Amino acid sequence: QQQVKQSPQSLIVQKGGISIINCAYENTAFDYFPWYQQFPGKGPALLIAIRPDVSEKKEGRFTISFNKSAKQFSLHIMDSQPGDSATYFCAATYSGNTPLVFGKGTRLSVIA
Amino acid sequence: DAGVIQSPRHEVTEMGQEVTLRCKPISGHNSLFWYRQTMMRGLELLIYFNNNVPIDDSGMPEDRFSAKMPNASFSTLKIQPSEPRDSAVYFCASSPWTGGGEAFFGQGTRLTVV
Repeated sequence: QQQVKQSPQSLIVQKGGISIINCAYENTAFDYFPWYQQFPGKGPALLIAIRPDVSEKKEGRFTISFNKSAKQFSLHIMDSQPGDSATYFCAATYSGNTPLVFGKGTRLSVIA
Repeated sequence: DAGVIQSPRHEVTEMGQEVTLRCKPISGHNSLFWYRQTMMRGLELLIYFNNNVPIDDSGMPEDRFSAKMPNASFSTLKIQPSEPRDSAVYFCASSPWTGGGEAFFGQGTRLTVV
């Protein structure tokens, strides 16, 4: 019930292409779905987040798509750049006294 | 704000030794989390505190692990005795809510037990 399943484990995208990372969850009580970005030697940092009252949220080149009925959400990175190369984690939690539950991460490499 | 501050950044210790990791959360944040990151298991929650009180330590792998938060600005994670399988990156994170929102992570402590 508390798991968040993330795919793929790794992703290689050409510069300028679209990177897509997918996550699925089981717990329908989850109501906050963030994506974190982690560079080597650094801690994860919030990239973008969505709540289930909307189906899409866009910030610059980063978009979260949310499908409540399918219990899935995804991160799209448009016009991917080498500087986007990092590990991306999806996560979920719900209002109250619960911490974030993280997916296993996706290592993205954007090649020129 | 300086963000979440962890020390040390790197720790190399011999099996059987006691290891203490330290964390200073962001001022004013109510919740503090300790996570462990490994290639095999990803980011695992070890324990979290709300208003300095431990809420859930079910993620602590064994009795060798203990955590304290004596005040709102300081927390420690102790491993005694340490074992090679404890080698990982340990992250502390804090949040301005009592759960249910964004967590801000420190830079992590890379622990190597030889």
